[in-house]
Amino acid sequence: EAQVTQNPRYLITVTGKKLTVTCSQNMNHEYMSWYRQDPGLGLRQIYYSMNVEVTDKGDVPEGYKVSRKEKRNFPLILESPSPNQTSLYFCASRTTGQIGKLFFGSGTQLSVL
Amino acid sequence: AQTVTQSQPEMSVQEAETVTLSCTYDTSESDYYLFWYKQPPSRQMILVIRQEAYKQQNATENRFSVNFQKAAKSFSLKISDSQLGDAAMYFCAYKGDRGSTLGRLYFGRGTQLTVWP
Repeated sequence: EAQVTQNPRYLITVTGKKLTVTCSQNMNHEYMSWYRQDPGLGLRQIYYSMNVEVTDKGDVPEGYKVSRKEKRNFPLILESPSPNQTSLYFCASRTTGQIGKLFFGSGTQLSVL
Repeated sequence: AQTVTQSQPEMSVQEAETVTLSCTYDTSESDYYLFWYKQPPSRQMILVIRQEAYKQQNATENRFSVNFQKAAKSFSLKISDSQLGDAAMYFCAYKGDRGSTLGRLYFGRGTQLTVWP
């Protein structure tokens, strides 16, 4: 089954404790991206990757890191999480075709205390 | 940066009736794509419909259709014969077709749709 898998689905952590949210897709998609969703703000793009070893900043990259060493994986790293990073996070992927359908993961609800 | 505006934070509709959700966007590009996504309580993001800017014909998908007005930069979603399962948050989104916006997807803030039985 074609899918984007995010883990964990829920995470509670404390300020400053490094964490990684994993994202993996099995569709051989070139493009992958991370978004955060906050009430009243919609989804905002954090980082995206057009292919392996190619990453670019979105609208809200501060406090986040990503890497794309393999085509299927695109982890999101919070080196020193802060309470303002409490949010719902989505990973997504698609082909680089002009109107390639975006496949979303199931989301990760992160709470930073 | 491109901006996408959904001016209706909340909307409601009676079952079997028709409702229209509004979306406007700001861009200087001539080629781009527009989308409507649905997010039910399960949080899953579901693509409802998409429109290529170069196409004058409005996209339709069963009970869902759009009114795309390129000059006005407007992209509204019409849901006909509303069903209880249509209740969700709806997001309008914009994707550029070249240059610095090629990899970007810009979302509006969402419209929460309630469907009354």
